Amino acid sequence: DTGVSQNPRHKITKRGQNVTFRCDPISEHNRLYWYRQTLGQGPEFLTYFQNEAQLEKSRLLSDRFSAERPKGSFSTLEIQRTEQGDSAMYLCASRDRDNPSTDTQYFGPGTRLTVL
Amino acid sequence: LAKTTQPISMDSYEGQEVNITCSHNNIATNDYITWYQQFPSQGPRFIIQGYKTKVTNEVASLFIPADRKSSTLSLPRVSLSDTAVYYCLVGAFKAAGNKLTFGGGTRVLVKP
Repeated sequence: DTGVSQNPRHKITKRGQNVTFRCDPISEHNRLYWYRQTLGQGPEFLTYFQNEAQLEKSRLLSDRFSAERPKGSFSTLEIQRTEQGDSAMYLCASRDRDNPSTDTQYFGPGTRLTVL
Repeated sequence: LAKTTQPISMDSYEGQEVNITCSHNNIATNDYITWYQQFPSQGPRFIIQGYKTKVTNEVASLFIPADRKSSTLSLPRVSLSDTAVYYCLVGAFKAAGNKLTFGGGTRVLVKP
């Protein structure tokens, strides 16, 4: 399968714990995006990378959140000192190089986080 | 990015055509219109993108009038598996780093 993969698919944690999610984009895609989606809402942009460079971060990304893409391939999203309000689906997406004919993002299945 | 307005929900029956209209009165000259589909517990999936007039692919058609202040996604002969949330997005995606701004979407329920 050559789609975007995310691990784990589900994570249950206690408030105050740290969690880390992984995203493996489609191999030739140089742009990688993280979104967060709460129940009944559309996804909200968190941050994106072009290769290993983190080019933009949303105001939603508090200082407890950190994302990395060290070698320009997979990415990790870490949440420190989790809060119940962090419970959501965390989605990763990737996009091909700048090409007018492929101006779409491909999403992974998401990681559902539940903070107790 | 231009704000979009679309119905919260729509019901339909198998075999019918479903048309979802999205309003985007403040669309800019460089903005494209893109639709995504999302099933429960899955990430959104690209359906179709257009700039003006009509675009058709194997899944749907997208109708965009001359003023581009609205657009209509048309799903022909829907089946139960088309039950999903459909999002209309508008933006100059390349200029904005291609980040996507989703609204609340339209929940389409296809009944037997």
